[in-house]
Amino acid sequence: EPEVTQTPSHQVTQMGQEVILRCVPISNHLYFYWYRQILGQKVEFLVSFYNNEISEKSEIFDDQFSVERPDGSNFTLKIRSTKLEDSAMYFCASNPRTGGAGAFFGQGTRLTVV
Amino acid sequence: AQTVTQSQPEMSVQEAETVTLSCTYDTSENNYYLFWYKQPPSRQMILVIRQEAYKQQNATENRFSVNFQKAAKSFSLKISDSQLGDTAMYFCAFSLNSGGSNYKLTFGKGTLLTVNP
Repeated sequence: EPEVTQTPSHQVTQMGQEVILRCVPISNHLYFYWYRQILGQKVEFLVSFYNNEISEKSEIFDDQFSVERPDGSNFTLKIRSTKLEDSAMYFCASNPRTGGAGAFFGQGTRLTVV
Repeated sequence: AQTVTQSQPEMSVQEAETVTLSCTYDTSENNYYLFWYKQPPSRQMILVIRQEAYKQQNATENRFSVNFQKAAKSFSLKISDSQLGDTAMYFCAFSLNSGGSNYKLTFGKGTLLTVNP
């Protein structure tokens, strides 16, 4: 069964450093997302990506964040200058053409900022 | 804006028993989807069951079923014959049925379910 793959599974970085989280969505899906889950809290929407551009972003997704789909398959989330409060689980997800199937999530990247 | 409320932070059930997790939501829209996701200790998000708002029939997936009450904006999850592997955090989620909404998910805060042997 196709699945969403995220790398790395765990990343530790120093405050102020740039990090890139990587995702390979399911190949025939059209909508791509990043969600964040701070430990013990609910899952929050960060950004959606459709037709090779950002289609919506939340207030969390400020200028420190960016997303790219550089080669038509990989989907990346970059945090330019990490802060302690960026420590969280980051999930990539994708949806097929119609959203009713529900988003399929990757296994997540645990980001720890020290 | 849509909101999802899960009023039970934690629940427990004995193995083989039945448990119901509650979820309510608020929206002014009429066309949407509802989901239950399971998050085991590995923290992966696993889709358990989905419901289309225009369908009156409650969705069922093996031991998992929902009670969808559209007028009451209620969407509860029933787990029958609970198994130890059902121990997880369960999230209720909402998505508008509209490409303009990007089908993004709005989650509740979750219910931690523990199945006891």
